[in-house]
Amino acid sequence: KAGVTQTPRYLIKTRGQQVTLSCSPISGHRSVSWYQQTPGQGLQFLFEYFSETQRNKGNFPGRFSGRQFSNSRSEMNVSTLELGDSALYLCASSFGQGGEQYFGPGTRLTVT
Amino acid sequence: QQQVKQSPQSLIVQKGGISIINCAYENTAFDYFPWYQQFPGKGPALLIAIRPDVSEKKEGRFTISFNKSAKQFSLHIMDSQPGDSATYFCAAKATGNTPLVFGKGTRLSVIA
Repeated sequence: KAGVTQTPRYLIKTRGQQVTLSCSPISGHRSVSWYQQTPGQGLQFLFEYFSETQRNKGNFPGRFSGRQFSNSRSEMNVSTLELGDSALYLCASSFGQGGEQYFGPGTRLTVT
Repeated sequence: QQQVKQSPQSLIVQKGGISIINCAYENTAFDYFPWYQQFPGKGPALLIAIRPDVSEKKEGRFTISFNKSAKQFSLHIMDSQPGDSATYFCAAKATGNTPLVFGKGTRLSVIA
C-alpha cells in the first residue's frame, strides 16, 4: 500500500505571496491532519479533516486554511506569507478520527 | 502551555546501551500515547503506542513504560544501534475529536 504523499517536497516563496500544499492520504484513509514543524516549536497541529469537514483546528491565524476533497485528498493554503511561516509542513492520514496517524515526508517551505 | 513535556532534548548513547526518553503530561483525559521516530528529511514514523490499561508494551528492542498515577511515560531502546540515531517524539491524545499533542522531541545519537 502506498504511503502518504505530499507535493511539492520543496518550495521557496516570497513574503506576501500565498502557497498551496497538497496531501494524498493512504488509500482508504478518510482523516487527514496537518502539522507545522519548526526547530523551536516542534510539531504543532494545524487542522484535521474528516469526510470533507474540518473537525479540529489548532491555534494558527486565519491565513492558514485547508480543505478536503471527496477522494480524501487534502490541500492547505497559507496566504500573505511571513518569514515565520518557513517550516516543514507535514500531513498525516488515519483510517478514522482518532486512529493511528501515518505521516508523509512533508513539504519544506522557505519564505524569503 | 506545553501539554506534553519531553526530556532530554538530546541524548548520546554508546552502541549496545539503553536509551531512555521520558515524557510527562497533565491532561488526565489523554488515553493514547504513541511514540514517533523521525529521520532527517523524512516524516515521523509511528514506532509504538500504548493505552493506559497496561503499564508496559514491548515491540522488539522498543519498550514503552507507562505510569498512570505519575502521569508519565517513557521509551526504552534496548541494545541501541547507530541506525537508531534519529529524533524521537512522544505524543498524547484524548478520546474523541481531539488532536495529537506532541512533545518537543529528543535527538538521539548512538555512537560506536
